[in-house]
Amino acid sequence: AQSVTQLDSHVSVSEGTPVLLRCNYSSSYSPSLFWYVQHPNKGLQLLLKYTSAATLVKGINGFEAEFKKSETSFHLTKPSAHMSDAAEYFCVVSDRDNQGGKLIFGQGTELSVKP
Amino acid sequence: ETGVTQTPRHLVMGMTNKKSLKCEQHLGHNAMYWYKQSAKKPLELMFVYNFKEQTENNSVPSRFSPECPNSSHLFLHLHTLQPEDSALYLCASSQTGGSTDTQYFGPGTRLTVL
Repeated sequence: AQSVTQLDSHVSVSEGTPVLLRCNYSSSYSPSLFWYVQHPNKGLQLLLKYTSAATLVKGINGFEAEFKKSETSFHLTKPSAHMSDAAEYFCVVSDRDNQGGKLIFGQGTELSVKP
Repeated sequence: ETGVTQTPRHLVMGMTNKKSLKCEQHLGHNAMYWYKQSAKKPLELMFVYNFKEQTENNSVPSRFSPECPNSSHLFLHLHTLQPEDSALYLCASSQTGGSTDTQYFGPGTRLTVL
């Protein structure tokens, strides 16, 4: 069975400092992994996804994530936080053998950015 | 309009009312989804439609009734809801419904059941 655990429910950083949002997954098959962001009163927007190519995935707005199979992790990072990065972030897993496109979402990590 | 749109954005209804949520995608996709987002809980997949056929019903109570008349439109008909059904309902679409597809989300309908 698939599952995803976001290790922090809330992360607070200062503007200009690095961001690290942690995610561990469990999957019986080769996973596809995604990070989505949700700003207040908005829908979810895809930041990046991993589907079996390069293990270091670059996304929008300077975010990137590294797939580490040995650690079953897919942590999201950004070198320098911006005020506009304040939002809720979701780590998502989908089994590649799942024909139904079913995504399993983590609980979410709320990112706060202080001036 | 571009992307995925949802109407209404906010809805307040009593437990005896009947209402419908509408979703429209302008991306030429063939798969559409309904999700429920409750406070302090992960997003829950409710229904999946692929080429207008329902391919997933995630044990959703019958007071929620989906309808997909074509690949661009998806409805969620609501009747006899409970206060615990209050949540943000999100619609999404993807190209084919495959596991590697990116799902594009609408802004959601904030539902309050009194």
